[in-house]
Amino acid sequence: GAGVSQSPSNKVTEKGKDVELRCDPISGHTALYWYRQSLGQGLEFLIYFQGNSAPDKSGLPSDRFSAERTGGSVSTLTIQRTQQEDSAVYLCASSWTSGSRDEQFFGPGTRLTVL
Amino acid sequence: SQQGEEDPQALSIQEGENATMNCSYKTSINNLQWYRQNSGRGLVHLILIRSNEREKHSGRLRVTLDTSKKSSSLLITASRAADTASYFCATDENSGYALNFGKGTSLLVTP
Repeated sequence: GAGVSQSPSNKVTEKGKDVELRCDPISGHTALYWYRQSLGQGLEFLIYFQGNSAPDKSGLPSDRFSAERTGGSVSTLTIQRTQQEDSAVYLCASSWTSGSRDEQFFGPGTRLTVL
Repeated sequence: SQQGEEDPQALSIQEGENATMNCSYKTSINNLQWYRQNSGRGLVHLILIRSNEREKHSGRLRVTLDTSKKSSSLLITASRAADTASYFCATDENSGYALNFGKGTSLLVTP
């Protein structure tokens, strides 16, 4: 079956522009996560969706970041007025249920470069 | 915030040798997972060990967990060039769902 897909794979934008990153989780997975990975660093948790519950946005670095998950499936991460420090690989993951007892399946990521 | 810390940061070995990576964390956990990342993109789940388990095996992988020392180790036996990757431990410290990743160990296996 298909894994987690993300688009675009690469995005180059100018400082101040808005960008949208898309994630298609594995069908049937109720939990969806967004992480950010800067060069040579570990993963930084951004936001978590579980079913129809309100998302946990505690990891979002600023109010320029927002995310939606429509119909419990596809998710979009939006960064407004991008800054150079937003440059990173943005990774999406999904799992069957919430909770750390489940493995998370990761997409290939979107590499964002802000000039 | 990142909680798991891997050690060493980088490891270079020859094919056939064993590779050992360590992970330490700060508070209590329910589970600890190890992931592999190739070429800085998507991560692949390797193994999950629960807090009441001490050792787990999967193929050439062996993971141990010592909750008294708040540490875990990943052993890759008879390494291959294809094992070259970054390896991350992830814990559920301070959360029941989001994983806290360390900065990883970069493993290079040379033929």
